[in-house]
Amino acid sequence: EVQLVQTGGGLIQPGGSLRLSCAASGINVSTNYMTWVRQAPGKGLEWVSVIYRPGGTYYADAVKGRFTISRDNSKNIFYLQMNSLRAEDTAVYYCARGVSSLDYWGQGTLVTVSS
Amino acid sequence: HSALTQPASVSGSPGQSITISCTGTSSDVGGFSLVSWYQQHPGKGPKLVIYEVTERPSGVSDRFSGSKSGNTASLTISGLQAEDEADYYCCSYAGSSTYVFGTGTEITVL
Repeated sequence: EVQLVQTGGGLIQPGGSLRLSCAASGINVSTNYMTWVRQAPGKGLEWVSVIYRPGGTYYADAVKGRFTISRDNSKNIFYLQMNSLRAEDTAVYYCARGVSSLDYWGQGTLVTVSS
Repeated sequence: HSALTQPASVSGSPGQSITISCTGTSSDVGGFSLVSWYQQHPGKGPKLVIYEVTERPSGVSDRFSGSKSGNTASLTISGLQAEDEADYYCCSYAGSSTYVFGTGTEITVL
């Protein structure tokens, strides 16, 4: 059974940094495309970032230069490092397997950027 | 890329068929056969119901079907059931290895 378990998140001040983790079981993150999606409170889904199987990384314009997606194959975990956080980054962040079709999702973790 | 345009809400009676549209441009929906649809119940995470425009994942009811014409993709739910009441989002490849979601549609079963 595939499971994606997310950790990290919480309350952070504007300008701060936070790292989200997504631990996978039942799949190898090294051989899968992995994606981050977020959802601001009461709003729709927003695509954030993807890491390709060979290692290429891509970002939405809203987070480019501030967020970094990565993975640790030995731990079977992938990450979203978020720097220079802004109030508009407040959202539930989901990790998911895939790129054009996201078939397994993590439980989501809330990130609140506020002073 | 701007979010793809979906109607804010659609409603139908049990047993009816409803269709949700997802309108983009030739740079996203119209340019690629990489449109997916997600169902999200309140307080829950999204669930994939259609991928690559028309394909249905294993375990998803055959009451869900997808199509595309030009820059508009559509999700049809036939034989509407109470459990189908949820928010639905389309998502399309937008070039340069990026993706864009739709604005979301709330489905109400009357």
